[in-house]
Amino acid sequence: NAGVTQTPKFQVLKTGQSMTLQCAQDMNHEYMSWYRQDPGMGLRLIHYSVGAGITDQGEVPNGYNVSRSTTEDFPLRLLSAAPSQTSVYFCASNGQGKGEQYFGPGTRLTVT
Amino acid sequence: AQTVTQSQPEMSVQEAETVTLSCTYDTSENNYYLFWYKQPPSRQMILVIRQEAYKQQNATENRFSVNFQKAAKSFSLKISDSQLGDTAMYFCAFLIIQGAQKLVFGQGTRLTINP
Repeated sequence: NAGVTQTPKFQVLKTGQSMTLQCAQDMNHEYMSWYRQDPGMGLRLIHYSVGAGITDQGEVPNGYNVSRSTTEDFPLRLLSAAPSQTSVYFCASNGQGKGEQYFGPGTRLTVT
Repeated sequence: AQTVTQSQPEMSVQEAETVTLSCTYDTSENNYYLFWYKQPPSRQMILVIRQEAYKQQNATENRFSVNFQKAAKSFSLKISDSQLGDTAMYFCAFLIIQGAQKLVFGQGTRLTINP
């Protein structure tokens, strides 16, 4: 089991560029989530999914888009990068009723 | 809305000492989980300990234990015989069992263990 994998580990973008952060899990988990981590603010939920084809917004969804076409994959798209999106991004997954979320290694994104 | 508050931004203790990290939360739900996650400099989020709200007994994992006070909505983490490898950010988190199962995190406590 690879668990939760994320690519890339590091990325630098210019303002206005778009990109996709990849997330995959091999544990057949129904629930997947994207968080961003900023200094002094803990992790905040961007978008989440309760199963293939079902997504919803979290606390800070603006500027991000998600889709869930398969159980395994949950990509996060930045539509037009802004310096305010400089952050560390984590993908996580958990099985129904299991509670514990498994986290990927994170992506450090810098927008200049 | 659910909130989690960690009132200690930073703490520092000597190796082998015991340290307690504080966490309070606010919810009207009755069925939920509480967690402590550790984030070392590697950035990986590591689950330290989990508590189900319906269980009265406090969870323990080796040197880590919690003091869960449901009525007071308090969930502190005690680390006994602290080790240099315990140096990390620690996050308290809360998850409602029904529905979307979203984690709500506190702001974190930076713990430093000094030799």
